[in-house]
Amino acid sequence: AQSVTQPDIHITVSEGASLELRCNYSYGATPYLFWYVQSPGQGLQLLLKYFSGDTLVQGIKGFEAEFKRSQSSFNLRKPSVHWSDAAEYFCAVGAYNTDKLIFGTGTRLQVFP
Amino acid sequence: KAGVTQTPRYLIKTRGQQVTLSCSPISGHRSVSWYQQTPGQGLQFLFEYFSETQRNKGNFPGRFSGRQFSNSRSEMNVSTLELGDSALYLCASSSVDRDQSNEQFFGPGTRLTVL
Repeated sequence: AQSVTQPDIHITVSEGASLELRCNYSYGATPYLFWYVQSPGQGLQLLLKYFSGDTLVQGIKGFEAEFKRSQSSFNLRKPSVHWSDAAEYFCAVGAYNTDKLIFGTGTRLQVFP
Repeated sequence: KAGVTQTPRYLIKTRGQQVTLSCSPISGHRSVSWYQQTPGQGLQFLFEYFSETQRNKGNFPGRFSGRQFSNSRSEMNVSTLELGDSALYLCASSSVDRDQSNEQFFGPGTRLTVL
């Protein structure tokens, strides 16, 4: 069965520091992988996605993620965090020919000035 | 282009009642999916509709139902509400171009509170 694990429930970083949010997935075939961000009281905004090709994908707001098949991981990174990045981040896995997404439990990012 | 809209944004109901939530997808999008978000269970898939047909269904009881209209607008219904149905219900739409990405765009959600 498909599943997504985000091992870090809560992460705190200082503004300007680098960030890495971890995501591990379980899926039998080639997964479609996504990172979404959710600000309080808001819906989800897509940061980036991976379907195939280059394993390092660039997204919006300066985020990038690297797909590592051998580790079943799709970690999200940002070289320098801004206070406005404080939000909850969700990793999700999907598949071809369906919009059904399986989400991880989310990582709440707190940014200190 | 307008985003995904969901109505109402907030709703308070009592146990045993039923509720209908509405979702209008982005213009041109033919696929609509619904998700339930709760602090305990996180984000869980409810349904997926494409061209008025339910294509996928999550692991929810039969009290949860949905439909899609010919203009791609979708509604979901929850009958005999329980306290545990209190959640943020999110709708997402996509253009379903299978030659490209099935990127989904989410609405702001409907916050349902069951008393």
